[in-house]
Amino acid sequence: EIVMTQSPVTLSVSPGERATLSCRASQSVSINLAWYQQKPGQAPRLLIYGASTRATGIPASFSGSGSGTDFTLTISSLQSEDFAVYYCQQYDNWPRTFGQGTKVEIK
Amino acid sequence: QVQLVQSGAEVKKPGSSVKVSCKASGGTISTYTFNWVRQAPGQGLEWMGRIIPILSMSNFAQKFQGRVTITADKSTTTAYMELSSLTSEDTAVYYCATEGRVAAAGFDSWGQGTLVTVSS
Repeated sequence: EIVMTQSPVTLSVSPGERATLSCRASQSVSINLAWYQQKPGQAPRLLIYGASTRATGIPASFSGSGSGTDFTLTISSLQSEDFAVYYCQQYDNWPRTFGQGTKVEIK
Repeated sequence: QVQLVQSGAEVKKPGSSVKVSCKASGGTISTYTFNWVRQAPGQGLEWMGRIIPILSMSNFAQKFQGRVTITADKSTTTAYMELSSLTSEDTAVYYCATEGRVAAAGFDSWGQGTLVTVSS
């Protein structure tokens, strides 16, 4: 099973600032990497797939990069609605596995 | 995009089973798979298994092998997840989510979640 490790666990950011989240896979997943946003009491929402392609309706303030084992999600200018938990997931292999999440909180 | 609606919350006794449904609307069932993901209170996301409705083929995370059954009714575009031998560790929100069958690109649609509480 591919283990996904996210860092940091918690990220404190001021509104309007940039947030950079990391995700590392225990073996190469090529670009078969997705990012999700989850707000309290809600289901996750797909943000990015293919490591860097924004899903339908996702603003350009969200961008993804990386390939192989190291990936980054960048939120260019945090808005109030962006404070949430973010998960990475690999879909290169079975079982599908998620990182443990990064909570982006207001500084 | 597919819309997914799940069945309501359940309270179960230890040792019993629970069956959660997930009805899809929109999209074409032959083009996607149904996945089941759970989230224990305050915890992260855990993939349990999936079914390819058009092939009636399923696979599961090793952790749940022998305890989970995933089925799909193509005529009603509904997937079901049944988990048996429940313990308090199975208390969680259970989500269904779709993934493209031919070209996987993450889980693009999610149900609203079903809270399953296991308590004596």
